[in-house]
Amino acid sequence: KAGVTQTPRYLIKTRGQQVTLSCSPISGHRSVSWYQQTPGQGLQFLFEYFSETQRNKGNFPGRFSGRQFSNSRSEMNVSTLELGDSALYLCASSLVDYSDTQYFGPGTRLTVL
Amino acid sequence: GNSVTQMEGPVTLSEEAFLTINCTYTATGYPSLFWYVQYPGEGLQLLLKATKADDKGSNKGFEATYRKETTSFHLEKGSVQVSDSAVYFCALSDLGAGGTSYGKLTFGQGTILTVHP
Repeated sequence: KAGVTQTPRYLIKTRGQQVTLSCSPISGHRSVSWYQQTPGQGLQFLFEYFSETQRNKGNFPGRFSGRQFSNSRSEMNVSTLELGDSALYLCASSLVDYSDTQYFGPGTRLTVL
Repeated sequence: GNSVTQMEGPVTLSEEAFLTINCTYTATGYPSLFWYVQYPGEGLQLLLKATKADDKGSNKGFEATYRKETTSFHLEKGSVQVSDSAVYFCALSDLGAGGTSYGKLTFGQGTILTVHP
């Protein structure tokens, strides 16, 4: 069974631009979570989607948003990029709504210049 | 709120040495506990998990026991290999804490392990 896939793997953007990252969960998994990983802050939870509904959100500004499609694929969007948004963005999926075991994708490395 | 504290790193060992990475947690409910490993340039891989007190998770020679009395989940391996060099993250999931915990893992800061031949 294929794992979690994320596209693109690398992105370079400039301040003020916006970006969309994509995540395809493991087949059959319905919950998708997003995390930001930086050297200074470590791994921080962004949000979680289940059945196209955002059920939980971390402490990030409104510039960070996401959505989930009926096939469980998810996208996250960051608008008005800032230098501090440079990070590895990780997506994770889990099987059912009350499963706590998450499987991670390889991540998208975003660099903001 | 929930939190996870890992031992300060990095950890440098010789091949075949014994490994311990300490992890302690604070949680409001009855969390599940995890160890994830991250190799350079990759995402996180689930190494092992434990869902209740006294459970032992094990995988690839790594072990960790869920100790509720000491709120700990220390990672151990009897004989490390060069290929074990990576960053190790302790994490918890606290679904019992209600809606604010859905889909959320709380991570420690990570411990860099380097194993020399």
